[in-house]
Amino acid sequence: GAVVSQHPSRVICKSGTSVKIECRSLDFQATTMFWYRQFPKQSLMLMATSNEGSKATYEQGVEKDKFLINHASLTLSTLTVTSAHPEDSSFYICSAREGQDVELFFGEGSRLTVL
Amino acid sequence: GNSVTQMEGPVTLSEEAFLTINCTYTATGYPSLFWYVQYPGEGLQLLLKATKADDKGSNKGFEATYRKETTSFHLEKGSVQVSDSAVYFCALSLASGGSYIPTFGRGTSLIVHP
Repeated sequence: GAVVSQHPSRVICKSGTSVKIECRSLDFQATTMFWYRQFPKQSLMLMATSNEGSKATYEQGVEKDKFLINHASLTLSTLTVTSAHPEDSSFYICSAREGQDVELFFGEGSRLTVL
Repeated sequence: GNSVTQMEGPVTLSEEAFLTINCTYTATGYPSLFWYVQYPGEGLQLLLKATKADDKGSNKGFEATYRKETTSFHLEKGSVQVSDSAVYFCALSLASGGSYIPTFGRGTSLIVHP
């Protein structure tokens, strides 16, 4: 199946700094990418949907200035957590799909810890 | 709106036991249905899918049948193994304005003891 690579898998940063997480589709063109945040007890929260070359669509309650999403190419989307605080600590997961396919391919996830 | 409801876990079983994880959905239209599995510390992987009513998805001994009349997509496995311990997510995908927006259930944790 298609491969989505997410990097870094773990990151620890100080409060107030910014962290960038990359999501790459390795063997297909990801026209749409989704960013999720996974809370304790496993529930997934969709943060935003990004289409290549256009602005991301954020879900209600997600601060777009806090969580900057860029999808500049068909194989790369980035999530930047700006001025991170301890409450931003979480597991962030990206997923991607090609064209109008219904199937999603997920990255391995990135564990962010803000001290 | 669309929604997916899964049974709450954790589900705890002994090895070789029969597994059922219930999943029901609400959707306007005809969604595609999925089960994803998440092993500890990892992202999600597609386990199986079904794209129309009465389709049966199967993989690694797991099965689920798309039941439109009961709006369900229950996951089953006849004999679980310790290595099946993971979190299982039921999901649907439905076209909305030309884009397929995925909706996930809250996940069900499965723990299999030797």
